Amino acid sequence: NAGVTQTPKFRILKIGQSMTLQCTQDMNHNYMYWYRQDPGMGLKLIYYSVGAGITDKGEVPNGYNVSRSTTEDFPLRLELAAPSQTSVYFCASSGGAEGNTIYFGEGSWLTVV
Amino acid sequence: GNSVTQMEGPVTLSEEAFLTINCTYTATGYPSLFWYVQYPGEGLQLLLKATKADDKGSNKGFEATYRKETTSFHLEKGSVQVSDSAVYFCALSDRGSSASKIIFGSGTRLSIRP
Repeated sequence: NAGVTQTPKFRILKIGQSMTLQCTQDMNHNYMYWYRQDPGMGLKLIYYSVGAGITDKGEVPNGYNVSRSTTEDFPLRLELAAPSQTSVYFCASSGGAEGNTIYFGEGSWLTVV
Repeated sequence: GNSVTQMEGPVTLSEEAFLTINCTYTATGYPSLFWYVQYPGEGLQLLLKATKADDKGSNKGFEATYRKETTSFHLEKGSVQVSDSAVYFCALSDRGSSASKIIFGSGTRLSIRP
């Protein structure tokens, strides 16, 4: 059971660089989410999607973009990395037979220097 | 809007102590309630859940009962172990008409002394 898979697990970016965090799920879930977790803090929703072709902003969308071209994939793009984006990023999904139970990936640790 | 409030940590207990982590919620409908656990360096894992009033979720010796009258979902364990040291998040999911979004509490860090 792969579940939710995120890559890369660790990345160091320089200020102003761009990158994409990849996320894929094999549970045929309609809903997918991106959260960030700052050190010692809770989760903040960045973007979410209710299905292929549909995305919406969460609590902290500035500086990020997403796309949902397929049910399985939900990449998160950082266009101009800033130190404030240093965080741990979690992709998650929910739906199908288990309804609103959310499943998380293992996280991507991003440092912007 | 919907919200989740959980007790602030850190909570430090000795092994075999009784654990309670309080969680209360505000919701307009009939949400599902969850406890997630995050071990150091890992993602969040579902610990237990309850989908309607008076349901009791249980897993790995942890329990929580969905109390609609007190809008609470407190996490309990009778005898904690060092391996229970982690951050615990209470959450609710209120499936509205447009999306299913889960709202998380701020997390409670639990440390168990041998």
